[in-house]
Amino acid sequence: EIVMTQSPATLSVSPGERATLSCRANQSISTNLAWYQQKPGQAPRLLFYAASTRATGIPPRFSGSGSGTDFTLTISSLQSEDFVVYYCQQYHNGWTFGQGTRVDIK
Amino acid sequence: EVQLVESGGGLVQPGGSLRLSCAASGITVSGSHMSWVRQAPGTGLEWVASIDIDGNTYYAGSEKGRFTISRHNSTDTLFLQMNNLRVLDTAVYYCASGLWPWGHGTLVTVSS
Repeated sequence: EIVMTQSPATLSVSPGERATLSCRANQSISTNLAWYQQKPGQAPRLLFYAASTRATGIPPRFSGSGSGTDFTLTISSLQSEDFVVYYCQQYHNGWTFGQGTRVDIK
Repeated sequence: EVQLVESGGGLVQPGGSLRLSCAASGITVSGSHMSWVRQAPGTGLEWVASIDIDGNTYYAGSEKGRFTISRHNSTDTLFLQMNNLRVLDTAVYYCASGLWPWGHGTLVTVSS
């Protein structure tokens, strides 16, 4: 089973600052990784697939990188609507999700 | 525009059964890799099951044998038959086409 581990669980950042979220797989998944954003009471929204390909409508302040086992989601300048929860997901073998990172206002 | 609309959730007693539906528009379920994902209250996302274009089915380990994913091509509807439900199956159940889009979810509550 492929296990996805996200860190940190909670990230406190000031508006306008950069946020860096990490996601690690326990075995290589190539670039078969997606990132989702979830706002309270809503379904998750796809941000990236293939580790670094931005989904339709996602603003350029979001970027994704990585391959193999280590991946990063970066938000270059946090806006008020970005203080929510983010999940990584591998689709290399079935699907598994990380436990999520909550981005809080510092 | 692709739209997925789940239905069939509700309150059921432990040991009971439910059948969830996901009505698709803008896509054909037979031409998409379709999945169910659930989210228990206050927790993260958990993949439940998928069906690929060829009709092959895949399940997360804990649901194998209790849950069955299927599709009805002529009505473009995806199903999740859930049997012998447990309290820990309480969650919002989302259907997804590929990685995106997802539906808005349907709530399943298993409680006596």
